Amino acid sequence: EEQLLESGGGLVQPGGSLRLSCAASGFTFSTYAMSWVRQAPGKGLEWVSVIRGKGDYSSYYADSVRGRFTISRDNSRNTVYLQMNSLRVDDTAVYYCAKGPHANGWYDFWGQGTLVTVSS
Amino acid sequence: EVVLTQSPATLSLSPGERATLSCRASQNINTYLAWYQHKPGQAPRLLIYDTSNRATGIPARFSGSGSGTDFTLTISSLEPEDSAVYSCQQRNNWPLTFGGGTKVEIK
Repeated sequence: EEQLLESGGGLVQPGGSLRLSCAASGFTFSTYAMSWVRQAPGKGLEWVSVIRGKGDYSSYYADSVRGRFTISRDNSRNTVYLQMNSLRVDDTAVYYCAKGPHANGWYDFWGQGTLVTVSS
Repeated sequence: EVVLTQSPATLSLSPGERATLSCRASQNINTYLAWYQHKPGQAPRLLIYDTSNRATGIPARFSGSGSGTDFTLTISSLEPEDSAVYSCQQRNNWPLTFGGGTKVEIK
C-alpha cells in the first residue's frame, strides 16, 4: 500500500525557516518524480516544486518560492524534503507531498499534508 | 502562466443526478488535464489524467472529456460519498497550475 507521510510543519515567524519531510513507502521511490503542492486557507491548490526521479534529479520551482525554497530527495531513506527559508505570511498553507510518473505530470498519490503557519 | 477557471463554484444536486463540471484554460493545453477529488482533512485523490483516462480504482461513473481550452468532468449518477471539491490541473506548460475548484454538495 502506498503511503506518503509529511512532517515538519508548524508555526514560524516571518523570515524564519522550516524543513518539511515526506516519508514514502509502498512503491519504488527512486523512479518517481516527487512534488510539493500547497493550499492556502480558502484558496485552491498551488504547485510549489518538483524533483525528478529515475536518476535525473533536476528540480523546478514556482516563481513565488524560487530562491527561497529548496527541494531535495534521499532515495536511501525514501524521503523528499522541502527546505523553506525567508518565509512570508503568504506561505501559510497546508503543504502536500505528491508523487507522479513525470515531473510535468499528474499526481497519482498524495499525502495528508502538513500545516505551515507563518505569523508574528 | 495558464489560468484554469472552473465553473460553477458550487453545485448542489441530489443522489442519482448527473453532475457536469467545467474547466476552461486561458490557452491551448491540448489534452494535458487532470481532475482531482478533495475532501476536508483528506489527501486529494486523482480521478482522471490526460483528459479522459480514469486513474486506478476510480469508479466508471466518473468521466472526463474535452481538448484545447474546454474540459468537462462528468459524474453520471451522484453518490453521497461524491460530496467534495473537484479541481482540475494542467501539465502542458510550466508552471503546472490548478483551477480554483468546484464544490459538489449532495442534497
